[in-house]
Formats: sequence, C-alpha cells, structure tokens
Amino acid sequence: DSGVTQTPKHLITATGQRVTLRCSPRSGDLSVYWYQQSLDQGLQFLIQYYNGEERAKGNILERFSAQQFPDLHSELNLSSLELGDSALYFCASSVNAGDGETQYFGPGTRLLVL
Amino acid sequence: AQTVTQSQPEMSVQEAETVTLSCTYDTSESDYYLFWYKQPPSRQMILVIRQEAYKQQNATENRFSVNFQKAAKSFSLKISDSQLGDAAMYFCAYRAPLDSNYQLIWGAGTKLIIKP
Repeated sequence: DSGVTQTPKHLITATGQRVTLRCSPRSGDLSVYWYQQSLDQGLQFLIQYYNGEERAKGNILERFSAQQFPDLHSELNLSSLELGDSALYFCASSVNAGDGETQYFGPGTRLLVL
Repeated sequence: AQTVTQSQPEMSVQEAETVTLSCTYDTSESDYYLFWYKQPPSRQMILVIRQEAYKQQNATENRFSVNFQKAAKSFSLKISDSQLGDAAMYFCAYRAPLDSNYQLIWGAGTKLIIKP
C-alpha cells in the first residue's frame, strides 16, 4: 500500500458526460500528479500540482481539468467524455517537486465510457 | 527530447531463474534519476528501484538490482530467483530535467512471464 488513495475504483459512464476523480496523497506529500494509461500502453502524464498550485502540464486535453485543494487532495475533472477517454487514471504523490522525488502511485480509477 | 526505450515487449523466465530487462534512454543531461516500476495484473504501479545518475554504485533492493551504464545510457533490471509474484509489466522511467518540470518519461513496458 503506497498510502495514496483514489476514488472511485471503477466508473462507468456514457459519452458526453462529466466525471470527477479524487485523489488523496500520502501524508506529508505536497505534490500530486495525474496520469492516464490506456489499454496495454504506457503512462501519459497529464498534470501536476504542488501545494495547491499548478506546476506542470503534460498531454492534458482541454476537456480535462484538475485542482488541488488546501487539504492537498486533488480532483481530476473529465467532461464531454468520449469513448477514447476510457482508461486507467493514476494519481501519484511525492514529498516535494524536486528532481529526485520518487512518485508513489495510487491504485488507479478505471474509467469506462460507453 | 528525452526518450526511454524498452526493446523487449515480453520476456519469460523459469521460476527461480534470473532474468534481465533492458532499458535505454536518450538525454544530454548529466544529472538525472532513473526508476523501475512494476505493474502486476491488479494494475497498481509499484516502485521497484531507483538510481541516481551521479552514483556509480548500482542500486539494489533484495532480489532486484540494476546495471547502470551511464556512458551507454543503459539501465537494465536484473531479477534474481524469480518468483511467481514477479509476473507483471515492468516500466522504466527517466526523470526529466528542470526545463521539463522534472516529469517522468516512461518506456512502453516489458511484460514478464514467470513459468512455474
């Protein structure tokens, strides 16, 4: 158990809908990262927050947004969902945002768009 | 741009034997970090081992060790005494430098099969 929690574990929804994925980092970690993993593929970095502020953006679609709250938990919002958004969404956390930081991953949220 | 290549889509090994997974990367940086993550069928992403590029000594974690060849930009993972629980996808990752916001760059993964 990495100490990173994600809810829900599974999510089934329809095209055009909007969903919110939630992540709680390890105790004491200030940085949160979101990744998308499509079937049988590697991870794609979406976005990073550090202590409430957006730190870096990766291949995140405009239909997706995220935020980190004062208690350091983070939410990833996915809107106007398409079939291709079906994937495993990981949250990871690290103590800070420096280059030597190890990221610890949550169990992921499996999103299925029908 | 930095890239990470895992040239073996799938590897298999007999239980209790040793297997080596390959990873190469491309970078012009001198200081960086490298990681191996394991993703079992549960799809949880688990850190296996990490290596700091400035350290010459290869990292070791129990049955897992790396062969870090900085000049060759190679970072292979050796698993000794393979166990059934080692069956998983293994991803190599490189930590990008400051101008890329230290993001992790991932290889495509190697599927490791353990034969009983």
